[in-house]
Amino acid sequence: QVQLVQSGADVKKPGASVKVSCKASGYNSIAYYIHWVRQAPGQGLEWVGRINANGGATYSAQNFQGRVTMTRDTSSSTVYMELSGLRYDDTAVYYCASHQYGSGNPDFWGPGTLVTVSS
Amino acid sequence: EIVLTQSPGTLSLSPGERATLSCRASQSVHSRSLAWFQQKPAQAPRLLINGDSNRATGIPDRFSGGGSGTDFTLTISRLEPEDFAVYYCQHYDTSLALTFGGGTKVEIK
Repeated sequence: QVQLVQSGADVKKPGASVKVSCKASGYNSIAYYIHWVRQAPGQGLEWVGRINANGGATYSAQNFQGRVTMTRDTSSSTVYMELSGLRYDDTAVYYCASHQYGSGNPDFWGPGTLVTVSS
Repeated sequence: EIVLTQSPGTLSLSPGERATLSCRASQSVHSRSLAWFQQKPAQAPRLLINGDSNRATGIPDRFSGGGSGTDFTLTISRLEPEDFAVYYCQHYDTSLALTFGGGTKVEIK
């Protein structure tokens, strides 16, 4: 069974950067994508971006272009999402979610990481 | 960019009743790109339906998805107590960019 384990909650000041990790296990091959989706308190789901766990190619939502960096470490099956220039409205739970090649509907989700932006 | 509009915002029903949730896309979406998720408080979303109408692994058959083009529906044939939650539709494009609808809350009447 595929499992995604995320790093713990974090508190950052406005203007700082945060880096969230997501470690995948249970995949037979590296042919999958990891997406990052966030949810502000009491709000809906917002897509941040995605990374190809194999080739490392990334693509992010226009709202986050220039502020988000996604990387991966194939040796540990871990991907990272770094968001810079944090604002108060970046306070949210950040989920990683995955699916294999051939689909675009994430079938496995991490538990989420709460990022709080506070002075 | 495709926008997904879900309706109604809130659905008030009793256990045992049938729930019909709508997801409308601002333009026609490619086949098998629409999914439905269930989310309960303080939990990650759970995939219910992928590829427009395929139940994900372990999902009870009281959940069904249908539709094509711009209009999609999630039906819960008989609501169980554990089905009261928020439901989201989701689409992906050819770049694997995801879009989510605003959600429908199914609450106990």
